[in-house]
Amino acid sequence: DTGVSQNPRHKITKRGQNVTFRCDPISEHNRLYWYRQTLGQGPEFLTYFQNEAQLEKSRLLSDRFSAERPKGSFSTLEIQRTEQGDSAMYLCASSLGVQQPQHFGDGTRLSIL
Amino acid sequence: RKEVEQDPGPFNVPEGATVAFNCTYSNSASQSFFWYRQDCRKEPKLLMSVYSSGNEDGRFTAQLNRASQYISLLIRDSKLSDSATYLCVVNLNDYKLSFGAGTTVTVRA
Repeated sequence: DTGVSQNPRHKITKRGQNVTFRCDPISEHNRLYWYRQTLGQGPEFLTYFQNEAQLEKSRLLSDRFSAERPKGSFSTLEIQRTEQGDSAMYLCASSLGVQQPQHFGDGTRLSIL
Repeated sequence: RKEVEQDPGPFNVPEGATVAFNCTYSNSASQSFFWYRQDCRKEPKLLMSVYSSGNEDGRFTAQLNRASQYISLLIRDSKLSDSATYLCVVNLNDYKLSFGAGTTVTVRA
């Protein structure tokens, strides 16, 4: 399978814990995106990488959130001191270039107890 | 005002029917447009890009009206497998996609 891969698929954790998600994009795609989706809403943009450079961050990305793409391949999204409101589906997408369609991974569903 | 607005539906149609729905977008500078399909608790999947001249992919037809800032999707000869949420997506710049909340379509036997 050469699509976008995310893990874990599900994460259940207690409030206040830190969590980290991983995304492996389609191999030839240099652009990688993170989105968050809650029930009944469309995905909301969080951040974007071109190769290893993080070029844009949404206001939704509080200082508890950090994303990296150290070698321009896979990316990680870390949430520190999780809160109830962080419960959502976290989606990763990748694309080949400017204005090209973005292809999504299966997502990581985060539940905060 | 939301960047992309869609009628949430649901559109409940019999097999074989035609169903059509629109979305509107607020930013006239939007550059590219897409329809994505999302099944329950799954990731969005690209259905089709939307071009100014309108385009068709099998039973699906998409139209873009830049003057009125709306995008439409028409599904002909609906199949049970077309039941899903259809997300209208607008590219506001060279990286950020803005999604509508989705239109739910249910095709019944």
